[in-house]
Amino acid sequence: NAGVMQNPRHLVRRRGQEARLRCSPMKGHSHVYWYRQLPEEGLKFMVYLQKENIIDESGMPKERFSAEFPKEGPSILRIQQVVRGDSAAYFCASSPRTSGQYEQYFGPGTRLTVT
Amino acid sequence: GESVGLHLPTLSVQEGDNSIINCAYSNSASDYFIWYKQESGKGPQFIIDIRSNMDKRQGQRVTVLLNKTVKHLSLQIAATQPGDSAVYFCAETGGGNKLTFGTGTQLKVEL
Repeated sequence: NAGVMQNPRHLVRRRGQEARLRCSPMKGHSHVYWYRQLPEEGLKFMVYLQKENIIDESGMPKERFSAEFPKEGPSILRIQQVVRGDSAAYFCASSPRTSGQYEQYFGPGTRLTVT
Repeated sequence: GESVGLHLPTLSVQEGDNSIINCAYSNSASDYFIWYKQESGKGPQFIIDIRSNMDKRQGQRVTVLLNKTVKHLSLQIAATQPGDSAVYFCAETGGGNKLTFGTGTQLKVEL
């Protein structure tokens, strides 16, 4: 059973470009979470999605950031017009959402560098 | 706002000794707590979890203690090994699936 997959692992963008980060949850998991981690800091929640639905986006910046989890295919975190402050590691996690279970399994992350 | 934080940013232990990593949380509504291990360049790896109706839970070489009175969580690692060197995060959920992470403790195992 493959774990959570993220690609690309490393992404370099110039200021003003768009960044697209992809996440494929574990098999059987229909709940996806995105977190951002700045250097030497803990992970910060961004958004929680189920298939075709955004459940909680309270951690998403109001502008330039969007996320989707379509019926088919991976979840996408999209950052438009990137700025240097967007440089960070972005982690995706998934869970099976079985009642009583909250454990989230994390992917290896995408390290975004904005030059 | 509510937060989860760690007391010690860096912990150095000798190989074979026991390690104790501490965490304080402020959200009294938190009902589920998790310890994650993160090695350099990798994603967080689940270690052990505990629910608010428990005080202690043991795994393989690890024990998590929860003191709800003082809102304190600890991770004990027995017979620490070089492979345990990593950053350890506590995380909590106060309802829903959103995890709130602490800032992390760097564990260094000295030979």
